[in-house]
Parts: sequence; structure tokens; C-alpha cells
Amino acid sequence: EVQLVESGGGLVQPGGSLRVSCAASGLTFNNTWMHWVRQAPGKGLVWVSYIRSDGSATYADSVKGRFTISRDNAKRTLYLQMNSLRSDDTGVYYCASDAAYSLYYWGQGTVVTVSS
Amino acid sequence: QSALTQPASVSGSLGQSITISCTGTSSDVGGYSYVSWYQHHPGKAPKLMIYEVTNRPSGVSNRFSGSKSANTASLTISGLQAEDEGDYYCSSYRRSNSWVFGGGTKLTVV
Repeated sequence: EVQLVESGGGLVQPGGSLRVSCAASGLTFNNTWMHWVRQAPGKGLVWVSYIRSDGSATYADSVKGRFTISRDNAKRTLYLQMNSLRSDDTGVYYCASDAAYSLYYWGQGTVVTVSS
Repeated sequence: QSALTQPASVSGSLGQSITISCTGTSSDVGGYSYVSWYQHHPGKAPKLMIYEVTNRPSGVSNRFSGSKSANTASLTISGLQAEDEGDYYCSSYRRSNSWVFGGGTKLTVV
């Protein structure tokens, strides 16, 4: 059974930094592309970033230059380093595994709140 | 990076069929066969229902089906059941290794 478990969310002040993690099990992590998706309160799902098996990555324009996705294949863990956080970065952050260019398995999410 | 366009809400009666549309451009929906659909109940993990326009993951009911014509994809749910109620999102691969979601559609089963 595939399990993706996010952690690391919390309350951070505007301009601050936070790193969220996603621990994966039940899949061949080192061969799997991974995504981050977020959902602001009362809003829809928004794609944030993805990383390939070789570490190459792309980002949504809204986070480019502020967020960095990375992975540790030995630890089977995906990360999202978020810097220069703004209030509109508030929301639930989900990790998801990719298959056939779809987000196949999802975690339950971790809540990030950016507020003073 | 504009979102794909979905109706904000749809409703249907138990046992009926409904269709949710998802309109994009030739840079996403119309340009690739990588449209997927997700069911999301608040507080839970989103669930993949359709991938590659028409394919169902193992375990997803055959009451769910997908299609595409030009820049518009569609999700059809037949034989509506109470547990189908929730939010539905389409997504498409977009050129330059990015993905885009629709704004979401709230399905109400009456």
C-alpha cells in the first residue's frame, strides 16, 4: 500500500521560511516523479512544483525563486523549502506521486499558515 | 498560468448521470492526452478518478468515465450515488513541464 505522509507545517510570519516534508512508502521512490500541490482556504487545488527522478524540477510562476523542491532518495522523502513566505501562501500542502502525468497517490496534507 | 475552466457547481438526482466540463487551451488540454480528474472530500486526500483522458485506476467504479474533444475534457458520472457528492477537479499537463488544475466543481446529489 502506498503511503505519503506530509509533515512540517505550522505558523510562520510573513517573510519567514518553512520546510515541509513528505515521507513515502510502498512505492519505488527513487524512480517516481513527485509533486507538491496546495489549497488555500476555501479555494481550489493549485499545482506548485514537481521533481523528476534525476532531481530536475519545475515550479509554478507564483512560487518560482522562493520555493525549492528536493528529494532524498535514501530517506524516501520529498521536501519543499519555502522562503519569503506571503499570506497568500497559506493553505494545505499536499504531496503526490506521479504516474502517466497524473497525480496518482496523495498524502493527507500539512497546513501552512503565514500570518503575523 | 491561468487555471482550466470548470463549472462552479453541478447537481443531479440519485441514479441520474451528470457531466462536468473542463476547458483549456491547445497548450494543455488540447495539446496532450494527459488530462486527469480528481475527487476531493474536505479534510481528506484527493483521489485520482481518471488519468490519460479516459483511463480509470484500479478500484475506481466504471460509473466514472472521461472524454476529450479539442480543448475541452469531460467527466461523466452515471448512476449517481450519495457518496459521489464532493468536489471534482480536472488537471492537465501543460508544456514546459508544468501542470494546471481547474477551479473545481462542487457536485451535489439530491
